[in-house]
Amino acid sequence: DAGVIQSPRHEVTEMGQEVTLRCKPISGHNSLFWYRQTMMRGLELLIYFNNNVPIDDSGMPEDRFSAKMPNASFSTLKIQPSEPRDSAVYFCASSLAGVATDTQYFGPGTRLTVL
Amino acid sequence: KQEVTQIPAALSVPEGENLVLNCSFTDSAIYNLQWFRQDPGKGLTSLLLIQSSQREQTSGRLNASLDKSSGRSTLYIAASQPGDSATYLCAVAHNQGGKLIFGQGTELSVKP
Repeated sequence: DAGVIQSPRHEVTEMGQEVTLRCKPISGHNSLFWYRQTMMRGLELLIYFNNNVPIDDSGMPEDRFSAKMPNASFSTLKIQPSEPRDSAVYFCASSLAGVATDTQYFGPGTRLTVL
Repeated sequence: KQEVTQIPAALSVPEGENLVLNCSFTDSAIYNLQWFRQDPGKGLTSLLLIQSSQREQTSGRLNASLDKSSGRSTLYIAASQPGDSATYLCAVAHNQGGKLIFGQGTELSVKP
């Protein structure tokens, strides 16, 4: 299995631009998680899906952030408009059933820089 | 609100030494606790998962313990190697849905 796939690996954009991050979970996994990692705040859960349905989006910072999971093999995290404080590494993770007993498998991350 | 703290923030040891990383959490109502490893520029890799009903888990040279009542967990690494150099994060699952709350991590450096 290729593991969790994220694209792009690096993104540099200017303030005000729209940014779309993509994730392909491990085949057969029913839950998908989006995290953000910064030096100041560490690793924070933004949103997670179970069977393509958003379960908890309480970590999404504001309306500029949106996430979708149109099918079991693809998810996007969109930031519109982007701001310099959005600069971070964004990780996607997936797990088999989305319960606390499952191991989460992380992708390599997307390093976002907003100038 | 659940808070997870890891001490120390950084640790440097000579090769071969046994070491302990610490993790504490403020709310003992957890479903499980997990330890992850993160290499520079990479994603996280799960090392050990301890269910709330368990006291410890072992994998090779790694042993993780959990004391829910005191809100503490330790990760013991035996006979450390330079390849163990990485950041180690602990995370608690605060509900059945798998939502994880992470500590800030301990950056470990094992010197040859």
